[in-house]
Amino acid sequence: DAGVTQSPTHLIKTRGQQVTLRCSPISGHKSVSWYQQVLGQGPQFIFQYYEKEERGRGNFPDRFSARQFPNYSSELNVNALLLGDSALYLCASSLLTEETQYFGPGTRLLVL
Amino acid sequence: GQQLNQSPQSMFIQEGEDVSMNCTSSSIFNTWLWYKQDPGEGPVLLIALYKAGELTSNGRLTAQFGITRKDSFLNISASIPSDVGIYFCAAPGRGSGGGADGLTFGKGTHLIIQP
Repeated sequence: DAGVTQSPTHLIKTRGQQVTLRCSPISGHKSVSWYQQVLGQGPQFIFQYYEKEERGRGNFPDRFSARQFPNYSSELNVNALLLGDSALYLCASSLLTEETQYFGPGTRLLVL
Repeated sequence: GQQLNQSPQSMFIQEGEDVSMNCTSSSIFNTWLWYKQDPGEGPVLLIALYKAGELTSNGRLTAQFGITRKDSFLNISASIPSDVGIYFCAAPGRGSGGGADGLTFGKGTHLIIQP
């Protein structure tokens, strides 16, 4: 069975641009969460979505937004990119909204 | 906010040795998770713990949910080269608005195995 998939794998943007990252959860999982991981740190929670609705949000600015589609896939959007947004962006899926989450391989974003 | 204090920060060991690492917090949790992350990859779930005092094994890995619910431990027996990586503890936290639980992660333990 396929695990969590994310696209693209790598991305290079310049300051001020906008980016969209995509995630497909494990088949049968209805909840998707997004995390940001900067070098040397553990992942930081950005959003959780369940049944197309936002269920939780971490301490990130409004430049970050997300949505979940009827097939449970999800997109993370970041506007007005800053150099500090350079990081590995991870998507995790869970069956419902329980805590046990399974991660995808991530999208590495570099902002120049 | 909630913090998970993970130690040691790094470990240099010989192949075949046993490894112990732990994670502590001032907050009480109902779930503890242990992940392993290889360079450039996403974290892989190793063990999930759901009950205080629970001891769970996954092959050479054993993890325990502390009785106080404020800590957890991970042990690796007879380490092999593929055990190299970063090990993270994680626990569900509450968003500032009391919303759904995202995971709070420790800073990780870097495991390095010397041949």
